Amino acid sequence: GIQVEQSPPDLILQEGANSTLRCNFSDSVNNLQWFHQNPWGQLINLFYIPSGTKQNGRLSATTVATERYSLLYISSSQTTDSGVYFCAVGKSNFGNEKLTFGTGTRLTIIP
Amino acid sequence: DAGVTQSPTHLIKTRGQQVTLRCSPKSGHDTVSWYQQALGQGPQFIFQYYEEEERQRGNFPDRFSGHQFPNYSSELNVNALLLGDSALYLCASSRRDPTQYFGPGTRLTVL
Repeated sequence: GIQVEQSPPDLILQEGANSTLRCNFSDSVNNLQWFHQNPWGQLINLFYIPSGTKQNGRLSATTVATERYSLLYISSSQTTDSGVYFCAVGKSNFGNEKLTFGTGTRLTIIP
Repeated sequence: DAGVTQSPTHLIKTRGQQVTLRCSPKSGHDTVSWYQQALGQGPQFIFQYYEEEERQRGNFPDRFSGHQFPNYSSELNVNALLLGDSALYLCASSRRDPTQYFGPGTRLTVL
């Protein structure tokens, strides 16, 4: 199966700092999603981004499918950004494909 | 528009018992996937249901079974519980769309 690696595993930043989270995957994919898991366990969709670049407020993501990696950028971090960020990939671009998750990046924002 | 809901929120069982977890998909969604998330790990795919049938299955033993009802809601059953089954169980729904939406999860503790 597809292997997904995320780095760094842990990141501690001061409020207001910027960060870059990386996701590497071992095979071609047609589905790549970024999620934020809050302290209560809820997975929140951030981006569906199998290729290209998207932005949503302070967050943006870029996927270079040919080189099998994706980056999540968080600018001007706030304490509410704390949590675990997961990258998940799938072979299909329909909703009928299982997602394979990485082990996540735990982000802690200090006031 | 209600999102994905799961019940119960928390559950404590003893080894050897059986448990049933429930999931109601987001309105308009017809596909339900179940994931297991052990502490400190990313979610792992258990199986997916569409049109009341199991369409895909991950690497989980037959002790894990499921069901989908005509209203698209779903149940996850785990028999002969082991200590290692302690985890957060997440349900995700979708509809011919690559984006999967997750519920808040059920935290199962096996003593």
